[in-house]
Amino acid sequence: QVQLQESGPGLVKASETLSLTCTVSGGSVSSGSYYWSWIRQPPGKGLEWIGYFYYSATTHYNPSLKSRATISVDTSKNHFSLRLTSLSAADTAVYYCARDGDMDTAMAPGTFEVWGRGTMVAVSS
Amino acid sequence: QSVLSQPPSVSGTPGQRVTISCSGSTSNIGGNGVNWYQRLPGTAPRLLINRDNERPSGVPDRFSASKSGTSASLAISGLQSEDEADYYCATWDDGLNDPVVLFGGGTKLTV
Repeated sequence: QVQLQESGPGLVKASETLSLTCTVSGGSVSSGSYYWSWIRQPPGKGLEWIGYFYYSATTHYNPSLKSRATISVDTSKNHFSLRLTSLSAADTAVYYCARDGDMDTAMAPGTFEVWGRGTMVAVSS
Repeated sequence: QSVLSQPPSVSGTPGQRVTISCSGSTSNIGGNGVNWYQRLPGTAPRLLINRDNERPSGVPDRFSASKSGTSASLAISGLQSEDEADYYCATWDDGLNDPVVLFGGGTKLTV
């Protein structure tokens, strides 16, 4: 059974860069069957999709974050990462990683079937 | 204000049937499959419904969903106390050159 676990700093300063990692167990980030996504939820607000990575090195981002977000994969460590630059208080949120889509069952990307527990990131001024 | 509009809250008593609506447009709900997620307090979201009305393995058949035009709805029958959670609809929006996954604002279900 695939499990995902986010890790990273709980507190970062405004204008700096956030780096988060999602470690995958019970499955492989190299699998061509899935996409790997990041999603966040600011306190008291709804969910926001950040973007995904596909094993062929394809990435796709939410236009609202496109200029600041980068998602990459490290197959040797079986994890994928999110890098978010130029942080502001508006980036304070719980950040989730998720396994996205399923090519074997024609489940389209944007369908998040497995989620990590989430990690809270606060941006201080 | 989310592009996908959900009621902020709904409530029901045990055993009742409740529905949660999700309203969008032709560029999102009207042209793409809708997924529904349940987020129990203190936990990560869980996929409840995908491709408009399909239940993943393990999701009770008390949960059902439908779509008509640019609106979708989630129905929960035989309401149970453990159904108390936040519910989100989600779909792709490809109205602009850069498609994006959108979530509704979420609906808090009180049992």
